Amino acid sequence: EVQLVESGGGLVQPGGSLRLSCEASGFTFRDYAMSWVRQAPGKGLEWVSGISGSIYSGRNIYYADSVKGRFTISRDNFKNTLYLQMNSLRAEDTAVYYCAKLAYGDSPDYMDVWGKGTTVTVSS
Amino acid sequence: DIQMTQSPSTLSASVGDRATITCRASQSISSWLAWYQQKPGKAPKLLIYKASSLESGVPLRFSGSGSGTEFTLTISSLQPDDFATYYCQQYNSYSQTFGQGTKVEIK
Repeated sequence: EVQLVESGGGLVQPGGSLRLSCEASGFTFRDYAMSWVRQAPGKGLEWVSGISGSIYSGRNIYYADSVKGRFTISRDNFKNTLYLQMNSLRAEDTAVYYCAKLAYGDSPDYMDVWGKGTTVTVSS
Repeated sequence: DIQMTQSPSTLSASVGDRATITCRASQSISSWLAWYQQKPGKAPKLLIYKASSLESGVPLRFSGSGSGTEFTLTISSLQPDDFATYYCQQYNSYSQTFGQGTKVEIK
C-alpha cells in the first residue's frame, strides 16, 4: 500500500524552528517528485514547496514566495524520507502540513498520494 | 503567480442533483489542471488530472472538462459521500496554486 506518514509538528514560538519529516512506503520513493502543501485553520490549500525525483532527484527545488528564504525542502532517498526545515516561523505559518507524492519525477505536477498531515502551531 | 478562482464558493444541492463547479485561471494553463476532494479533518483526494482524466478508483459520476483558462468539475448525480469541499489546482507553473475551494453542502 502506498503510504505517506508525516511527523515533527508541534507548538513553537514565533521566530523558532521545526523540522517536518514524511516517511514514504509502498512505492519507489527516489523516482518521484514530492511536495509540501499546507492548510491554515478554516482556510484552503496552499502549495509550499516541491523537490524533484527520478534522474533530477533533489536538483530541482521550488518554494512559494511566502516561505522562500525561511523553509528548506530536502529528501533522503536511502531513508525514503522527505523533510521540511522551517526557520523564522511566524503566526501565519500555523497550519496542517501535508506531504504529497507527485505523479511523475519532476515538478510541477498533480499530487496523487497525500499523507494525513501534521499540525504546526506558531504561538507564544 | 497564476490565480485560480472557483465558483461558487458554496453549492447547496440534494442527493441525485447534478453539481457543476467552475475554476478559472488568470492566464492559460493548457490542460494542466487537477481537481481534489477534501472532507473535514482528512487529506485531499485526487479526482481528476490533466483537466479531464479520471483518477483510478474514482466513480464515473465525476467528470472534468475545459482547457486554457476555464474548467469545470461535474458530479452527474450527487451521492451522500460527495458532500465535501472541492479544490482545483494548476500545475502549469512551478509556483502551483489552488483555487479557494467550493463547499458542496446538503440542501
